[in-house]
Amino acid sequence: AQSVTQLDSQVPVFEEAPVELRCNYSSSVSVYLFWYVQYPNQGLQLLLKYLSGSTLVKGINGFEAEFNKSQTSFHLRKPSVHISDTAEYFCAVTAWSGNTPLVFGKGTRLSVIA
Amino acid sequence: ETGVTQSPTHLIKTRGQQVTLRCSSQSGHNTVSWYQQALGQGPQFIFQYYREEENGRGNFPPRFSGLQFPNYSSELNVNALELDDSALYLCASSPETGGAFFGQGTRLTVV
Repeated sequence: AQSVTQLDSQVPVFEEAPVELRCNYSSSVSVYLFWYVQYPNQGLQLLLKYLSGSTLVKGINGFEAEFNKSQTSFHLRKPSVHISDTAEYFCAVTAWSGNTPLVFGKGTRLSVIA
Repeated sequence: ETGVTQSPTHLIKTRGQQVTLRCSSQSGHNTVSWYQQALGQGPQFIFQYYREEENGRGNFPPRFSGLQFPNYSSELNVNALELDDSALYLCASSPETGGAFFGQGTRLTVV
């Protein structure tokens, strides 16, 4: 079974500052990793995913994440945030074996302050 | 725009009633999954269908059931609603390459 820990429930940051949202996972098998964003009263939008290959993954809206197998981490970063980045961010993991469901962390609330 | 649509967007039901939520997945995505997201929590996996058969289930009681149809649509049925069933219900369709594309969700309130 897989599990995900998002180490920060809330992250306040000033506009144009950099941000890192932390995610650690646990799994006995190889995994795929994802970051999703959820704006108020909406569903989940895929930001980026790691399936294989380069450990640095670039996504939409200027976000990127780095897969670190030895530290079982998949932290999300953005060099300069905007007010519009204020949202809930979820890290998720699924096993390589086919058709396994996503296991989500509890989410990190990113608040960008003007 | 994920290509996954859910209906209705909001719903209010009384405890003990039954509800059916609907989802239209992306064409060509053979896997559809349903998740429950309680307020302030991450989504929790309810069950998953692959080519119209259930092939995975989370820790939810049998009163949560589903169907997947050949036209990539699916349903989530919940019987004997309880107050704790109040949540955002998310449908996701998945390509063979992995990951999931989510709909906007149905906000269910049980009173």
